[in-house]
Amino acid sequence: AQRVTQPEKLLSVFKGAPVELKCNYSYSGSPELFWYVQYSRQRLQLLLRHISRESIKGFTADLNKGETSFHLKKPFAQEEDSAMYYCALSGDSNYQLIWGAGTKLIIKP
Amino acid sequence: DTAVSQTPKYLVTQMGNDKSIKCEQNLGHDTMYWYKQDSKKFLKIMFSYNNKELIINETVPNRFSPKSPDKAHLNLHINSLELGDSAVYFCASSQTGAPAFFGQGTRLTVV
Repeated sequence: AQRVTQPEKLLSVFKGAPVELKCNYSYSGSPELFWYVQYSRQRLQLLLRHISRESIKGFTADLNKGETSFHLKKPFAQEEDSAMYYCALSGDSNYQLIWGAGTKLIIKP
Repeated sequence: DTAVSQTPKYLVTQMGNDKSIKCEQNLGHDTMYWYKQDSKKFLKIMFSYNNKELIINETVPNRFSPKSPDKAHLNLHINSLELGDSAVYFCASSQTGAPAFFGQGTRLTVV
């Protein structure tokens, strides 16, 4: 079965500390993975996708097929990173994403 | 210019009423979506249209009916509203595959 698991509902770290938001997936083929972010009172937006292999707002994510993970990382957290983060997988259908439950990230000053 | 806009932003209505939420995108994208975000922030796809054609129709009650008059618009009509329909509804669009741009959401409260 296709599934995306974000094991942490809430993650709280201090400003300047490294951040890692975990995402594990279950999919038999070659998935495409995404991270989306929703800042407080703002719209959901695409943060990054694994095929782009880019760094957005200091965040990176590497697809690890052996561990079936796509963790989101940032070396030094900033207060403005506080938001809800969703990991998502595109499998058989490019149009239908399978979403994780989301992780609320709180950056403490 | 707002890429994906939906109206209204807030909607409070009584049980049993019929209401519509409108969505428009000015990006020239071929695909549009409706998502429901529940009180626990869990996102669930409801519908997806590609060039006015329905391509995803998840198991939502048939009280929910999407309408796409053209590829820039995807409206959501809800009949006989129930308390459990209270949620935030997001419209989104993309050119290929995964949704890239979202509307600001419509917070629907059924009382």
